[in-house]
Amino acid sequence: KAGVTQTPRYLIKTRGQQVTLSCSPISGHRSVSWYQQTPGQGLQFLFEYFSETQRNKGNFPGRFSGRQFSNSRSEMNVSTLELGDSALYLCASSFGQGAKTYEQYFGPGTRLTVT
Amino acid sequence: SQQGEEDPQALSIQEGENATMNCSYKTSINNLQWYRQNSGRGLVHLILIRSNEREKHSGRLRVTLDTSKKSSSLLITASRAADTASYFCATALAPMFSGGYNKLIFGAGTRLAVHP
Repeated sequence: KAGVTQTPRYLIKTRGQQVTLSCSPISGHRSVSWYQQTPGQGLQFLFEYFSETQRNKGNFPGRFSGRQFSNSRSEMNVSTLELGDSALYLCASSFGQGAKTYEQYFGPGTRLTVT
Repeated sequence: SQQGEEDPQALSIQEGENATMNCSYKTSINNLQWYRQNSGRGLVHLILIRSNEREKHSGRLRVTLDTSKKSSSLLITASRAADTASYFCATALAPMFSGGYNKLIFGAGTRLAVHP
């Protein structure tokens, strides 16, 4: 099976702009989670989508949003970018059925630099 | 604050030696997972241990879980240079704390360097 893919891999944006990141999960996986990784805060959970519904959200401002499509592909959007949004954004997919927690399979990440 | 705290922050050993990393957490968990990350790339899942399990093995990896002490350890035996990476523990909280599902809380990680 193909792994989790994320596009683009690298992105440079200017403060105030917005950005959209894309994630394609492993075939058959219906859960997609997003994480932000920075040197200062480490890995932090952004949100999780399952069957096109957001079912869990981390402590991030409303500038961070996401969605999931019927084919389980997911996008996350960050509006009004700030310098502190510079990070590696990781997408993870998992089987996600029911209330159990499964191992997650991560993509290579999108490295966002805000200047 | 983070749910998981790892110890040590950095570990440097020679090939062939064993490496032990510890993880402590604060809140009741559904399961605990260990991941490896090579140099700022994606994370690779290593082992998932559920709250009712005490020990799991996978190849050269051994994970223990002590829910009474809220701690876990990852042992890598006979380490190789290719094991050089950062290792993270991640906890999936019990549903009463998180709504369950796939929200993982990561520790700060242990940077392991294995020298040939």
